[in-house]
Amino acid sequence: AQSVSQHNHHVILSEAASLELGCNYSYGGTVNLFWYVQYPGQHLQLLLKYFSGDPLVKGIKGFEAEFIKSKFSFNLRKPSVQWSDTAEYFCAAEAGNMLTFGGGTRLMVKP
Amino acid sequence: GAVVSQHPSRVICKSGTSVKIECRSLDFQATTMFWYRQFPKKSLMLMATSNEGSKATYEQGVEKDKFLINHASLTLSTLTVTSAHPEDSSFYICSARDLSGGGSTNYGYTFGSGTRLTVV
Repeated sequence: AQSVSQHNHHVILSEAASLELGCNYSYGGTVNLFWYVQYPGQHLQLLLKYFSGDPLVKGIKGFEAEFIKSKFSFNLRKPSVQWSDTAEYFCAAEAGNMLTFGGGTRLMVKP
Repeated sequence: GAVVSQHPSRVICKSGTSVKIECRSLDFQATTMFWYRQFPKKSLMLMATSNEGSKATYEQGVEKDKFLINHASLTLSTLTVTSAHPEDSSFYICSARDLSGGGSTNYGYTFGSGTRLTVV
């Protein structure tokens, strides 16, 4: 069975700091990868996704992620975070007809 | 963009009663919808996959008779929590796969806003 791991459960940063959230998946076949964000009191929103092609994917709000197949990783990055980025971030991997989520990372950005 | 509407957003019910949660795709058709449960400070756990016109597929450990899923049309799936107990209190989220972006190589999952169920 596939699984997704997010190693950082809680991250606290100051505004303008750089962000990198780790995501590793375990599945030997072809996977599609996603990052979702959940702002307080809101539903999950898609930040970016990777299906194929350029392993560096750019998403909304200045986020990007890099797919490294050899490391089974799909880390999320942002060069300079803002207070409004405070939210919970979920990495997800899709194989077959199933979308599996990581445990989530709660990001708090201090103004 | 694709929108999934989930209703109600909050519900409080008495132990032993049943609660129905609706999930609608508003501007696209969804042959497949997914139901998740999110525990406090935990990730989303897939409960079942809802297939239009056929039986739902349940994940291991999820009671089919307790969590009844009906997907009667291409835009509506319902989850009924039967004989609810306090341990069923949770946040339930539905999702649909939106293929309108270009089929098998460019699609996304759109999520409803969730339903907070409290069983007292």
